[in-house]
Amino acid sequence: GNSVTQMEGPVTLSEEAFLTINCTYTATGYPSLFWYVQYPGEGLQLLLKATKADDKGSNKGFEATYRKETTSFHLEKGSVQVSDSAVYFCALGGASGSARQLTFGSGTQLTVLP
Amino acid sequence: GAVVSQHPSRVICKSGTSVKIECRSLDFQATTMFWYRQFPKQSLMLMATSNEGSKATYEQGVEKDKFLINHASLTLSTLTVTSAHPEDSSFYICSARDLRGQVYGYTFGSGTRLTVV
Repeated sequence: GNSVTQMEGPVTLSEEAFLTINCTYTATGYPSLFWYVQYPGEGLQLLLKATKADDKGSNKGFEATYRKETTSFHLEKGSVQVSDSAVYFCALGGASGSARQLTFGSGTQLTVLP
Repeated sequence: GAVVSQHPSRVICKSGTSVKIECRSLDFQATTMFWYRQFPKQSLMLMATSNEGSKATYEQGVEKDKFLINHASLTLSTLTVTSAHPEDSSFYICSARDLRGQVYGYTFGSGTRLTVV
């Protein structure tokens, strides 16, 4: 079955540091890959997505590239801000056009210190 | 973009009572919605898949008689926690996918914090 393995946290960084949160997956077919962010007490917000191999999703300075050869979708940001403090979830979904539910990683708590 | 409205955002109820949580897709039709449960500092656990006009599909270990799901229209799914107990206290989140295109992906509601006292 499908599964997502995500780097465990918590991760604590200083402002302007480089961020990498690792995510690897196991899936059949051609899944879509997502990163979601959850701020305290709130629901999930889509951060970025990629629907096929070699696609790069990007948003708000965050990037992730869909690597089929390594089954990975690592999240990166060159310079984090205090406002980036949140929990980040890597997720795997059905191929484009399908309504299959998401499979989530365990989440990574990020704290950015001023 | 696609918007999913979930309410209430917070609810406190007495043990033994029932609580209904609503999930609405505001600007698109959702034939399928998903209900998740999240324990503190943990990931989301899929509880059930809600299908418009038919019975929900529950994940293994989720009591369908306790967590009643109704998806009566293309824009509304409800989750009713029946005879709630303190162990049902959790954060419940719904999501839907706009199948008009792939631009929006899966959209989540803002979640409902249920506390059973």
